[in-house]
Amino acid sequence: QVQLQESGPGLVKPSGTLTLTCAVSGGSISSNYWWSWVRQPPGKGLEWIGEWIGEVYRSGSSNYNPSLKSRVTISVDKSKNQFSLKLNSVTAADTAVYYCARDSANSGWFDYWGQGILVTVSS
Amino acid sequence: DIVMTQSPDSLAVSLGERATINCKSSQSVLYSSNNKDYLAWYQQKPGQPPKLLIYWASSRKSGVPDRFSGSGSGTNFTLTINSLQAEDVAVYYCQQHYNTPYTFGQGTKLEI
Repeated sequence: QVQLQESGPGLVKPSGTLTLTCAVSGGSISSNYWWSWVRQPPGKGLEWIGEWIGEVYRSGSSNYNPSLKSRVTISVDKSKNQFSLKLNSVTAADTAVYYCARDSANSGWFDYWGQGILVTVSS
Repeated sequence: DIVMTQSPDSLAVSLGERATINCKSSQSVLYSSNNKDYLAWYQQKPGQPPKLLIYWASSRKSGVPDRFSGSGSGTNFTLTINSLQAEDVAVYYCQQHYNTPYTFGQGTKLEI
């Protein structure tokens, strides 16, 4: 059974960089799945941040939400079986629960999710 | 971006009754090449991540009770929950997976 677990700082200062890691267990990150980050501001809805596309397609490239594209990087560390999110120049509007998720069918829906991690942007 | 709009924002349904949640997309999410609607439904309970219920608009994920069903095509979709159970209290989201950026509806809060 695949499990995803987010980790990283729960507090980031304004203008700083938010860095999160999603550890994958019960399966290989090098398989032909797509891996995404989704966030949810407290009490609000879901926003897709971006995805890393498995190596069968486009040699392991990333897609990002245009609303965040200039600030986001998603990368994969195959040796550690994990993928990461970096979000630069954060503001209070980036305060949210951040989820990592797997798209097992390479079709844009998410069937495995981490439990989520709350990241607060505050000085 | 494709805008997803759900209705109602909240609803209360009696135990054992039927709940109906609607989702409308700002453009069609039907791929003519495979005749599939790229629409998913999720259930989210407090303090938990979303749980996938339905994909391709009407395909139920393995393990999801058959009282959950999805229907619709093009731009109009419905999630139906028959014989409502207490454990169905949650927020429900639709999501288009037709193209990136994938987008979600604002959510519908279902109460007993």
